[in-house]
Amino acid sequence: GAGVSQSPSNKVTEKGKDVELRCDPISGHTALYWYRQSLGQGLEFLIYFQGNSAPDKSGLPSDRFSAERTGGSVSTLTIQRTQQEDSAVYLCASRLRDGSSTDTQYFGPGTRLTVL
Amino acid sequence: AQSVTQLDSHVSVSEGTPVLLRCNYSSSYSPSLFWYVQHPNKGLQLLLKYTSAATLVKGINGFEAEFKKSETSFHLTKPSAHMSDAAEYFCVVSGFSGSARQLTFGSGTQLTVLP
Repeated sequence: GAGVSQSPSNKVTEKGKDVELRCDPISGHTALYWYRQSLGQGLEFLIYFQGNSAPDKSGLPSDRFSAERTGGSVSTLTIQRTQQEDSAVYLCASRLRDGSSTDTQYFGPGTRLTVL
Repeated sequence: AQSVTQLDSHVSVSEGTPVLLRCNYSSSYSPSLFWYVQHPNKGLQLLLKYTSAATLVKGINGFEAEFKKSETSFHLTKPSAHMSDAAEYFCVVSGFSGSARQLTFGSGTQLTVLP
């Protein structure tokens, strides 16, 4: 079956511009996560959606970052007024349900963002 | 609070020799532990996961890991390395952050397989 998909796969933008990154989770998965992977560093948690509950935004690095999830499915991560330090690979993952730490998160291929 | 430490940032082995990638964790809860692999320009792929059912976990591509609570370790092993195993490997613990259940990733171990 189809896995998690993300678009675009690569995005090059100029400093100060806004960008939108899209994630299509696996159908039926209620939990969705965004992570950031910077060069030479591990993965950094950004935001988490679970069903219709309010998202956990505790990992967002600044108020320039926001995300929404429409209809409990597709999610968009928006970065406003991009800075060079925002350059990273942004990964989306989905999980069937919350309530069990044994559920596996399935990752998309990521969007590589380069801010010039 | 939880954390993961991957003890080696780079590991180099010859093809056909054993692989050992080391991981230590700390967690306030009974953890679930995972190993993910990331090939160049590819997404993260789950290798295996520990969920308290059995301490020795077998994964894909001949990898396995043993959960040792007394040592707080979850090392990844493979008896014989293959060239296609060259990738970056992440040890991961599943836990809580406030209201969110999230994964905490180690910093990764880059595995090089020499011919």
